[in-house]
Amino acid sequence: EVQLVESGGGLVQPGGSLRLSCAASGFTVRSNYMSWVRQAPGKGLEWLSVIYVGGSTYYADSVKGRFTISKDNSKNTLYLQMDGLRPEDTAVYYCAKGSAVPGSYGRFDPWGQGTLVIVSS
Amino acid sequence: DIQMTQSPSSLSTSVGDRVTITCRASQSISNYLNWYQHKPGKAPNLLIYAASSLQSGVPSRFSGSGSGTDFTLTISSLQPEDFATYYCQQSSNTPYTFGQGTKLEIK
Repeated sequence: EVQLVESGGGLVQPGGSLRLSCAASGFTVRSNYMSWVRQAPGKGLEWLSVIYVGGSTYYADSVKGRFTISKDNSKNTLYLQMDGLRPEDTAVYYCAKGSAVPGSYGRFDPWGQGTLVIVSS
Repeated sequence: DIQMTQSPSSLSTSVGDRVTITCRASQSISNYLNWYQHKPGKAPNLLIYAASSLQSGVPSRFSGSGSGTDFTLTISSLQPEDFATYYCQQSSNTPYTFGQGTKLEIK
């Protein structure tokens, strides 16, 4: 079964850092296009970042320069390093597996169950 | 960036109703359009990809249509488990933008 499990969320002060993890099973992150998406309280879904099979990375403007996506193929795990956190980064963070079909790397299935990040003093 | 605009933002409906949600892209995205269902506390679920292809395991009452800039999600006969928020999303280019969502509520 293809599955994603996020961890690492929690309460952090403004300006602080947090690293989210997304453990994959049933497939390899090495061979797939992986993204992070978040949902702030009462808001819609916001795509944040993608890492391609070849290692290229792309970010939403809202997190560019503060967040870094990476993966450890040996651990079959995706990461999101979040630095310079702001109260507006408070959200549930999801990892998602993208399609390998060219032009559909941003088609997400499945998603993890999400991990909550709260940025507050 | 490609902007995705959904309408309506919410809809009060009843079991058995036919529901149509529309999504418009700010520029042509061919058929790189996906629809997701999202329930509180759950992971979003892919319903439709490539504008009109039904994801495996999704009931046939869900269907999608459109290309270019205008797209539609239709639920032919609403079931109790369909009350949720629905999002369109373009996968043509990064950033992979979502619509603002359409919340289906029980009338």
